[in-house]
Amino acid sequence: DAGVIQSPRHEVTEMGQEVTLRCKPISGHDYLFWYRQTMMRGLELLIYFNNNVPIDDSGMPEDRFSAKMPNASFSTLKIQPSEPRDSAVYFCASSGGGRNYGYTFGSGTRLTVV
Amino acid sequence: AQSVTQLGSHVSVSEGALVLLRCNYSSSVPPYLFWYVQYPNQGLQLLLKYTSAATLVKGINGFEAEFKKSETSFHLTKPSAHMSDAAEYFCAVSKGSAGGTSYGKLTFGQGTILTVHP
Repeated sequence: DAGVIQSPRHEVTEMGQEVTLRCKPISGHDYLFWYRQTMMRGLELLIYFNNNVPIDDSGMPEDRFSAKMPNASFSTLKIQPSEPRDSAVYFCASSGGGRNYGYTFGSGTRLTVV
Repeated sequence: AQSVTQLGSHVSVSEGALVLLRCNYSSSVPPYLFWYVQYPNQGLQLLLKYTSAATLVKGINGFEAEFKKSETSFHLTKPSAHMSDAAEYFCAVSKGSAGGTSYGKLTFGQGTILTVHP
């Protein structure tokens, strides 16, 4: 299994531009999570899906952020327009349910907004 | 709601010494508890998890943790530190059930950076 795959690994963009982060979860996992990690705020849950349905998006900072999961093997996190304060490492994680519960994280996307 | 508190943002030990990283949790329902490790520029990797079975849980790389309900703790230990253990460690909690079903999101602590000196 290739694990959770995120792309791109690094993204540098100018303020005001649209940014799209991508995630491919582990096959068979029915939970998908998007986290943001910064030095100041640590790991923050942005949104999570169960069986492709958004369950809790209370961590999404504002309307500039949106996430989709069109099918079981793909999810996107979009920021439009981006701002310097969005600079962070964004992690995607997936998990099975029941006794198989336990996140597997991707390697993250380091976003820098200048 | 669930929360975790990791006591000590930085822990420093000598190579070969005992590693003890502290985690206390708060949960309104029986919790599932996890420890993750993060090496520089990498994602988080699961070390071990407690899911209401044995209270002493053994994980990878020689780490173990003990669930103590009376103390609401889930401290991580390793008898002998190795240089390769230097990393950041995160404790996390989720809702759980005696039936083995977990629910939803993990809530993470703020992390503890472990430094190992030669």
